[in-house]
Amino acid sequence: EVQLVESGGGLVQPGGSLRLSCAASGFTFSSYSMNWVRQAPGKGLEWVSYISSSSSTIYYADSVKGRFTISRDNAKNSLYLQMNSLRDEDTAVYYCARDRGGGSYDDSTWYFDLWGRGTLVTVSS
Amino acid sequence: DIVMTQSPDSLAVSLGERATINCKSSQSVLYSSNNKNYLAWYQQKPGQPPKLLIYWASTRESGVPDRFSGSGSGTDFTLTISSLQAEDVAVYYCQQYYSTPSFGPGTKVDIK
Repeated sequence: EVQLVESGGGLVQPGGSLRLSCAASGFTFSSYSMNWVRQAPGKGLEWVSYISSSSSTIYYADSVKGRFTISRDNAKNSLYLQMNSLRDEDTAVYYCARDRGGGSYDDSTWYFDLWGRGTLVTVSS
Repeated sequence: DIVMTQSPDSLAVSLGERATINCKSSQSVLYSSNNKNYLAWYQQKPGQPPKLLIYWASTRESGVPDRFSGSGSGTDFTLTISSLQAEDVAVYYCQQYYSTPSFGPGTKVDIK
C-alpha cells in the first residue's frame, strides 16, 4: 500500500525541540521530492518546507527559517523535520506530503498527491 | 508572496444540487510560457488529511468523481460539485504553486 506515516509529535515547552519522522512505503521514495505542511487546530494549511529527492535543494517558509531543518534518508525511506526554538504558534498537525513531479527541483510540481495522516505537535508551558 | 482567498467561508447545499466555491489569488498564477495555471484544489474531511482533487486548475486527479470540476484562469478560479453527495461534506482548499506554495483559508461544504 502506498502510504506515508508520520511520528514524533507530542507536547513540548516553548523554546524546546522535537524531531518528526515520516516513513514512506509502497513507492520509490528516492524518486520524489517531499514536503512538510502544517495545520493549526481548526485552521487552514501552511506549507513549511521542501526537499528534493537528492537533498540538494531545500526551502523553508519564512515562519520557520533558521529554526527548522528538513532532511531525508533514502536508504531508510524516511523524511525528517528537526524543530528547534519552538513557539506557541508552531502548535499544529504536521503532515508529510509527496510532490507529484519528479525528484529534482526542476521536475517538482509543488502540488501534493499523497499525504500522511499527520502528527500533532503541541507547544505549551 | 501570493495570497489566496476563498468565498464563501461556508455553504450548505441540498443533496443533488450544485455547489460552487470561488478562489482568488493576489496575482496571476498563469505561467505564460506553458499557458498553465498553477492552481490545485484539495478536499479535507474531518479527521483526515487533505486529498488532491484538481491540479493545473482543471485536471481531475485519477479516481476523483467527474462531478468535481475546476475552471478559471489568471487570478479567479472555481471548484464546482455538480451534484452534491453526502460524502462530499468537507472543507475545500485551493492552493497556488506558481511561487512558494500557499493555500486559501478553506470553504466548508455541508448538506442543507
